Amino acid sequence: GAGVSQSPSNKVTEKGKDVELRCDPISGHTALYWYRQSLGQGLEFLIYFQGNSAPDKSGLPSDRFSAERTGGSVSTLTIQRTQQEDSAVYLCASSSDPGSYNEQFFGPGTRLTVL
Amino acid sequence: AQTVTQSQPEMSVQEAETVTLSCTYDTSENNYYLFWYKQPPSRQMILVIRQEAYKQQNATENRFSVNFQKAAKSFSLKISDSQLGDTAMYFCAFMKPGAGGTSYGKLTFGQGTILTVHP
Repeated sequence: GAGVSQSPSNKVTEKGKDVELRCDPISGHTALYWYRQSLGQGLEFLIYFQGNSAPDKSGLPSDRFSAERTGGSVSTLTIQRTQQEDSAVYLCASSSDPGSYNEQFFGPGTRLTVL
Repeated sequence: AQTVTQSQPEMSVQEAETVTLSCTYDTSENNYYLFWYKQPPSRQMILVIRQEAYKQQNATENRFSVNFQKAAKSFSLKISDSQLGDTAMYFCAFMKPGAGGTSYGKLTFGQGTILTVHP
């Protein structure tokens, strides 16, 4: 698989539960981004990883949101004590050269529904 | 901070005809990148076309072309000979170049335009 993959494709959870969303970037891509797509807010940036470090976490909406990346590859976005307003599609993207003209490649997203 | 505005929530076009999607943005930067992404029902975001702000020549990719007006901060997408497979949501996006500082290559998106191509 040469593209960005995300799992699960869909996740339904109850309010107050924790969820983990996974992203597998394209092999060799050092930059990884998480974005959130919701009806009210459109498509918004959440966090950026360069390797395993996250120099830009400015888009995380609250301290219930956290993310990590290990081995310069897989990333996990964790949402604790989920709320209904967390319902959205969470998109992951990777790039070989951040901040350049190079394309960011997106995964198919995880649709999160909080009941 | 940069903002991107797409004023057309929905557009429709007949197959084989031409349609133009609008995008305006606000920035104090002189150099930047602009992108159009397509998101079909599968949710997979696909890059359609990109433009570097310092290049005056409008980018083209087969049936897709842009009208980049830097002074007006406008970046419209023209789709010629529309096909049923062009049905999707289209997002205009802005990127400030550079891997550090306040950029990190993150994209700022407009609200999107849903395009429907009718047979």
